[in-house]
Amino acid sequence: GAVVSQHPSWVICKSGTSVKIECRSLDFQATTMFWYRQFPKQSLMLMATSNEGSKATYEQGVEKDKFLINHASLTLSTLTVTSAHPEDSSFYICSARPGSNYGYTFGSGTRLTIV
Amino acid sequence: DAKTTQPPSMDCAEGRAANLPCNHSTISGNEYVYWYRQIHSQGPQYIIHGLKNNETNEMASLIITEDRKSSTLILPHATLRDTAVYYCIVRDNNAGNMLTFGGGTRLMVKP
Repeated sequence: GAVVSQHPSWVICKSGTSVKIECRSLDFQATTMFWYRQFPKQSLMLMATSNEGSKATYEQGVEKDKFLINHASLTLSTLTVTSAHPEDSSFYICSARPGSNYGYTFGSGTRLTIV
Repeated sequence: DAKTTQPPSMDCAEGRAANLPCNHSTISGNEYVYWYRQIHSQGPQYIIHGLKNNETNEMASLIITEDRKSSTLILPHATLRDTAVYYCIVRDNNAGNMLTFGGGTRLMVKP
């Protein structure tokens, strides 16, 4: 079945640094990938839609200059949290699917902690 | 996508069937019902989906009412590892857009 790999699974960084999270579709190509954020005891909230070869689409309230998304190939999307602060600490999850006849597959998530 | 309503939490005894309800009274004709679950600190996992017929796979069964305004996910023999948050989502399969998650049901399977 379709597999989405996310890396790293957890990261702890100092406030002010930038952190890159990778999302790879291992056995299919994905022109679109989705990035979600989940705070403790809350549901997943869509942050942005990553489009291969073009700019990402951000949801209302998500700062595009803070959460940089690059989708340079059909199997890789990256999310970079720039100048991270403690309030950016969260669980970040990516998702993709092989085509419209398939269900969405999610990565295992990245636990980001800013200290 | 149509909005869904699920109970915030449920308990189930290990080995018994877990029946998780979902209301989606505003569902349109071309929207599918999807179920995902999220075990603590992991990404969501696909369980099953259907349009109007009942569906069954190795994980669960999905029962959709005739008017399609509600559905029930059935885990026939719940185990402790089934403890998770279960999300019911309805969407148009051809919309090409993301999944929108509601609050889900936190299922606790107890020994």
